[in-house]
Amino acid sequence: GENVEQHPSTLSVQEGDSAVIKCTYSDSASNYFPWYKQELGKRPQLIIDIRSNVGEKKDQRIAVTLNKTAKHFSLHITETQPEDSAVYFCAANAYGNNRLAFGKGNQVVVIP
Amino acid sequence: GAVVSQHPSWVICKSGTSVKIECRSLDFQATTMFWYRQFPKQSLMLMATSNEGSKATYEQGVEKDKFLINHASLTLSTLTVTSAHPEDSSFYICSATGPGGNQPQHFGDGTRLSIL
Repeated sequence: GENVEQHPSTLSVQEGDSAVIKCTYSDSASNYFPWYKQELGKRPQLIIDIRSNVGEKKDQRIAVTLNKTAKHFSLHITETQPEDSAVYFCAANAYGNNRLAFGKGNQVVVIP
Repeated sequence: GAVVSQHPSWVICKSGTSVKIECRSLDFQATTMFWYRQFPKQSLMLMATSNEGSKATYEQGVEKDKFLINHASLTLSTLTVTSAHPEDSSFYICSATGPGGNQPQHFGDGTRLSIL
């Protein structure tokens, strides 16, 4: 089945700097890659997603890039703010359907 | 849009009790719903996938007789933890997607289950 690896596990950045989280996936049939933000004790919230027919997508301070050949995708957060502090999960759909395989999560800490 | 409501948010009960958790899509038709379990500081572990009107598909290692899932309508799925024991204590989260492939999953607020 699909295996999603996420690095690094923890990332600390100064407020205003950029944060980058990288994920790799194993199933070449995966074609949908969402990113979720989860604050402590709360629901995961979809922040951006990308499908395999594009290589990059941007939404204000958040962008995602996808490299299908290398089977990796990355989340980029620019001009980080304290409210960006959370756990971020990447995911890929397994077997090309709606089931998602999640990475282990990345704790992002934005230092004011 | 795409709001998913999950109830209850917190349950504390005695060992041996059965607990039902509801997941509702409030403003869209959820053709597929998913149930996850999350341990502290860990990732989301998919337990089962349910499609409206059909039996749920359970992931390997998840006991279907222990975790009963019903998806009777396009807006409601339920998870019943039968004869719960302390090892079933966890954070359970549902998500829902609309029709079509590769649709975003929208999550409920989760249910924190504590079995004494």
